[in-house]
Parts: sequence; structure tokens; C-alpha cells
Amino acid sequence: EVQLVETGGGLIQPGGSLRLSCAASGFTVSSNYMSWVRQAPGKGLEWVSVIYSGGSTYYADSVKGRFTISRDNSKNTLYLQMNSLRAEDTAVYYCARVYSGYDLDYFDYWGQGTLVTVSS
Amino acid sequence: QVVLTQSPSASASLGASVKLTCTLSSGHSRYAIAWHQQQPEKGPRFLMKLNSDGSHSKGDGIPDRFSGSSSGAERYLTISSLQSEDEADYYCQTWGTGIRVFGGGTKLTVL
Repeated sequence: EVQLVETGGGLIQPGGSLRLSCAASGFTVSSNYMSWVRQAPGKGLEWVSVIYSGGSTYYADSVKGRFTISRDNSKNTLYLQMNSLRAEDTAVYYCARVYSGYDLDYFDYWGQGTLVTVSS
Repeated sequence: QVVLTQSPSASASLGASVKLTCTLSSGHSRYAIAWHQQQPEKGPRFLMKLNSDGSHSKGDGIPDRFSGSSSGAERYLTISSLQSEDEADYYCQTWGTGIRVFGGGTKLTVL
């Protein structure tokens, strides 16, 4: 059974840093595309970042240069390092596995999310 | 870049059917999309991948009550025999060059 469990959220001051983790089970993280998606309070879903099985990474413009996606193959875990945090980064952050097809990449399994609150 | 447009809200009665719409922006009418459901206070769940020809493949455990169809730039999610647990937010999703895109979501109320 595929499971994704996010941890690492919390309250952080503007300008601070935080690292989110996503522990995966039931499949191998390094063999799949993996992504982070966030949802600000009362808002819709916003894609944040993706890491391909080959290691290439992509980011939404809103986080480019501040966030870094990575993985630890030995721990089967995905990470999101978030630096220079802003109030507008406040959101629930979801980890998702990406099904990579020839005509569409889509998120086929999601975690339960972890809340990040950026406030002084 | 591709943009997905959804109506903010929809409603239908218990036991009835409802059809939700996701519209692809101009020049992107042949794109496939995915539908995701988000029940209150829960993480999203993948429902189905929907192709431009209306063919679709559903996620694990998704009931037959959920189906998809397409017409031009429109992608539809039809839910029949509505149940109370279908009250949720529904998002369509596609991709562009190096990015993934969500529609704004439709909040479905089951009356």
C-alpha cells in the first residue's frame, strides 16, 4: 500500500528556514517523480516543486531561489528545504507521487499534509 | 501557458447527478487532465485521468459513480447517485513546460 507521511511543519518567523520531510512506503521514491503542492488557508491547490527520477528539479516562480526539493534514497524520503520564508508561504504542504505518462504527469497519491505558518 | 478554469461552486441533491466542468485555455484543447477530490479537512485524492477523447482511467478504489467525458476544450466530471461524502472540493490539473497547473477548484454542496 502506498503511503506518504509529511512532517516538519510549524510556526516560523518571516525570513526563517524550515525543512519538510515526506516518508514514503509501498514504493521507491527514487524511481518516481515526486512533488510538493501547497494550499494556503481557504485557498486552492498550488504546485510548488517536482523532482524527476533522474534528479532534475523544477519550481514554481513563487518559490524559485528560496526552496529546494531533494530526496534521500536510503531513507526513501522526500524533502523540501524552505529558506527566506514569507507570510505568503503560510499553507498546508502536501507531498505527492507523480505518475509520469507520455501525455500527462499527474499526482496519483497524496499525503495528509503538514501546516507551515510564517508569522512574527 | 495553459490555464484551467472551473466554476467556484455547484450543488445537487442527495441521490441526483452533477456534472462539473474544467475548461482548458485557448490552444490547449487537446490536453489531458486529472481530477482530484478534497473532502473537508483532508488531503486531496486522485480520482481519474481524463483524455481529450473522453477516455479515462480511475484511481484505486474510485467508485463507478464517478465518470469523465470531454468535448473540445471542456473536461467533465460526472458524479451520479450523489452521497453525502461527495460533498468536497474538486480540482482539475494538467501540466505545462516544467510546471504543473491546477484549476481554481469547484466546491460541491450536496443538498
